[in-house]
Amino acid sequence: GENVEQHPSTLSVQEGDSAVIKCTYSDSASNYFPWYKQELGKGPQLIIDIRSNVGEKKDQRIAVTLNKTAKHFSLHITETQPEDSAVYFCAASRGGSTLGRLYFGRGTQLTVWP
Amino acid sequence: DAGVTQSPTHLIKTRGQQVTLRCSPKSGHDTVSWYQQALGQGPQFIFQYYEEEERQRGNFPDRFSGHQFPNYSSELNVNALLLGDSALYLCASSLMARGQGLNEKLFFGSGTQLSVL
Repeated sequence: GENVEQHPSTLSVQEGDSAVIKCTYSDSASNYFPWYKQELGKGPQLIIDIRSNVGEKKDQRIAVTLNKTAKHFSLHITETQPEDSAVYFCAASRGGSTLGRLYFGRGTQLTVWP
Repeated sequence: DAGVTQSPTHLIKTRGQQVTLRCSPKSGHDTVSWYQQALGQGPQFIFQYYEEEERQRGNFPDRFSGHQFPNYSSELNVNALLLGDSALYLCASSLMARGQGLNEKLFFGSGTQLSVL
């Protein structure tokens, strides 16, 4: 099955700085890569996703890049704010009828200091 | 537009007991997936239900079973509870669109925190 690895496990940045979280995957058939933000006591919230026919996607301060050849994808958060502090998870799926089966990384605890 | 709702939010059981968790998918969604999230870990896929049938299953024992109702809501049942079953149980929903689901996304509920004593 798919194996998703995520780094770093913890990340501390100053408010206004950028944060980058990196993930690798093993299954070349994976073609859908969502990122989720999870705050304490809540379920994962989808913040951005990318499909394998696209190399980069941006939504305001958040961007995701995908390198299919190297099997890695990254989350970039610019101009970080204290409210960005949370655990971030990357995931991979073959999409389509198997969309509901996501393989998650172990998570990155992001702390943004004011 | 109601999102994914789960009940109860918290539950305490003892070893050997049985538990049932409930999920209502996001409006317009017809597929429900269940995940187990241990403390400090990423969610692990348990199974997925579509058209009232289990469609995919992760690496979980038969003690974990489920059901989907005609209104698309779903239940997760766990029998013979073990201490290791203590976790946050998450429900996620999506639309099993025809074709390759080019624009489909998976949305999660807030989960049920299960503690087994």
